[in-house]
Amino acid sequence: NAGVTQTPKFRILKIGQSMTLQCTQDMNHNYMYWYRQDPGMGLKLIYYSVGAGITDKGEVPNGYNVSRSTTEDFPLRLELAAPSQTSVYFCASTYYTGVEYNEQFFGPGTRLTVL
Amino acid sequence: QQQVKQSPQSLIVQKGGISIINCAYENTAFDYFPWYQQFPGKGPALLIAIRPDVSEKKEGRFTISFNKSAKQFSLHIMDSQPGDSATYFCAAKREGSEKLVFGKGTKLTVNP
Repeated sequence: NAGVTQTPKFRILKIGQSMTLQCTQDMNHNYMYWYRQDPGMGLKLIYYSVGAGITDKGEVPNGYNVSRSTTEDFPLRLELAAPSQTSVYFCASTYYTGVEYNEQFFGPGTRLTVL
Repeated sequence: QQQVKQSPQSLIVQKGGISIINCAYENTAFDYFPWYQQFPGKGPALLIAIRPDVSEKKEGRFTISFNKSAKQFSLHIMDSQPGDSATYFCAAKREGSEKLVFGKGTKLTVNP
């Protein structure tokens, strides 16, 4: 299993540009998450999904959009990039039935700079 | 409002010493408390986790101590090694929720 994969690893955007961060998991996990990590601030949840076709906002959703058309893929879309979106983005997944919570598996991250 | 407060922000210990990282929370509805380890340039990975029905959980050199009445939990790393140098995040999950809230992280440096 490859686990959680993210592309690209690095990206530089100009203000106002758009891009999609890709995330794929091959563990048949139902839950998927997008976080951003800023220095000294921990991990902040942007969006999450409980299954294909179902998404919900996290703590910091403004400026982002997501979709979940398959169990495996959970892309994050940035529209009109702003310098405040400069961050490292992590995708994660887990299998949760509502009974006992399990480990979240994280991808290697995408480092995004908006200039 | 920060739901999980982690301290210290950074920690330097000598090889063979004990590293202790603390987290405090306010929400008594939290029912799952994991610790994640993150090496530079990598994603976080689960190190150890505890549920509030036990006061301590040990896995190798890593121990979580949980104090329900004080609403605190801590990570102890015994016989710390240079390879333990990483950033450590505590987290918590509210009962019935599928989301984790993370502390701000502690950068641990173990000097040889």
